[in-house]
Amino acid sequence: QVLLVESGGGLVEPGGSLRLTCTTSGFSYKFNEYYLTWIRQAPGKGLELVAYITGHFDTYYADSVKGRFAISRDNANELVFLQMNRLTAEDTGVYFCVRDSYGLDFWGRGTLVTVSS
Amino acid sequence: DIVMTQSPLSLPVTLGQPASISCRSSQSLVYSDGNTYLNWIHQRPGQSPRRLLYRVSIRDSGVPDRFSGSGSGTYFTLKISRVEAEDIGVYYCVQGSQWPRTFGQGTKLEIK
Repeated sequence: QVLLVESGGGLVEPGGSLRLTCTTSGFSYKFNEYYLTWIRQAPGKGLELVAYITGHFDTYYADSVKGRFAISRDNANELVFLQMNRLTAEDTGVYFCVRDSYGLDFWGRGTLVTVSS
Repeated sequence: DIVMTQSPLSLPVTLGQPASISCRSSQSLVYSDGNTYLNWIHQRPGQSPRRLLYRVSIRDSGVPDRFSGSGSGTYFTLKISRVEAEDIGVYYCVQGSQWPRTFGQGTKLEIK
């Protein structure tokens, strides 16, 4: 059974930082063969791909977070991270960790990030 | 980036009646391996999204057969043959043929 569990969300002031962690298990093939993504959903809004990382550690960032967020992975422990710096109110939302296999196939339950003073 | 456009954005349906959602992509979703990577995902209120269909028409495990997908190239459709109460929520199409993955705006299905 594939599981992705996000943690690390919370309330942070504008300009602050948070580090999200995604703990995975149950991947049928080698963990490092999968692309892993962070997708966010602002309150009442749709889905936005924030970042992804390949098995070979190549990364991509949405323009809205480029230069502020950093995605990384620990293949040995099957973890994915999202370091978020210089947070603004527009970063508020639920952040989902999602596995990709020719499309986003398994989703975590999400962790809520609230940026507010 | 590929732009995904869904319609309608709001879909009130009577229980037991059919429903249909369309999704159009700004470029063909046929991948170099010949497959078309168009997925449909469903998000119930207060829950995380869940994939329903992949590669246009293949149902994920546990998805009822009242859900079906069709289409090719740039135009796709999700159909529910008889809507049940548990089908409420937002449906998104998402393409898996090119990075970055991109989503439709979402279609909110509600019961009349």
